[in-house]
Amino acid sequence: DPKIIQKPKYLVAVTGSEKILICEQYLGHNAMYWYRQSAKKPLEFMFSYSYQKLMDNQTASSRFQPQSSKKNHLDLQITALKPDDSATYFCASSQDTGFAETLYFGSGTRLTVL
Amino acid sequence: GDSVTQTEGQVTVSESKSLIINCTYSTTSIAYPNLFWYVRYPGEGLQLLLKVITAGQKGSSRGFEATYNKETTSFHLQKASVQESDSAVYYCALGEGGAGNTGKLIFGLGTTLQVQP
Repeated sequence: DPKIIQKPKYLVAVTGSEKILICEQYLGHNAMYWYRQSAKKPLEFMFSYSYQKLMDNQTASSRFQPQSSKKNHLDLQITALKPDDSATYFCASSQDTGFAETLYFGSGTRLTVL
Repeated sequence: GDSVTQTEGQVTVSESKSLIINCTYSTTSIAYPNLFWYVRYPGEGLQLLLKVITAGQKGSSRGFEATYNKETTSFHLQKASVQESDSAVYYCALGEGGAGNTGKLIFGLGTTLQVQP
């Protein structure tokens, strides 16, 4: 059974709309992350959370807002969607944000913005 | 800035032959780099293959090895004899090992390994 669940697997949206990407982890981890991979670009770090508190934000746009309702949830709300937001979004978790932690990744949500 | 550069595109190797996937890193902000290889097998999520946190040390897993070379800022992935089941996408990644660690990793573009029977 997958230990990190991302929903939906595929998502199509129109420009200007808003979507929420869901992530739940059942590993008992304290830290969660969002990464993004656009076509022909490397996986790019977006956010890290530890004990539901924001640790790092490398996303320039405020259109991307993580939401942590429970320790094992980290959803990603994206508003005013643009075609450039088209990418696969990966949720990940680790025991903590400490020293050389191993990240465990979900299978991703592929977002296409038309 | 910080970046990771690895062998681009696809590498095709015949089964039982040796493999090397190059990875070099560059950093201006990370005081204590930690280095990782992640792998994505077909139909599966990204998972850790191996990691090394100390310069000069070697990591190994599933027959793969990588040595953290601080002088050449490299972390090449090698395997002496590949198998068809090694066909996957391999990602080199750089992380912060010091007090500023927020869990952020910097990834390379990924290298697709195709092993031919």
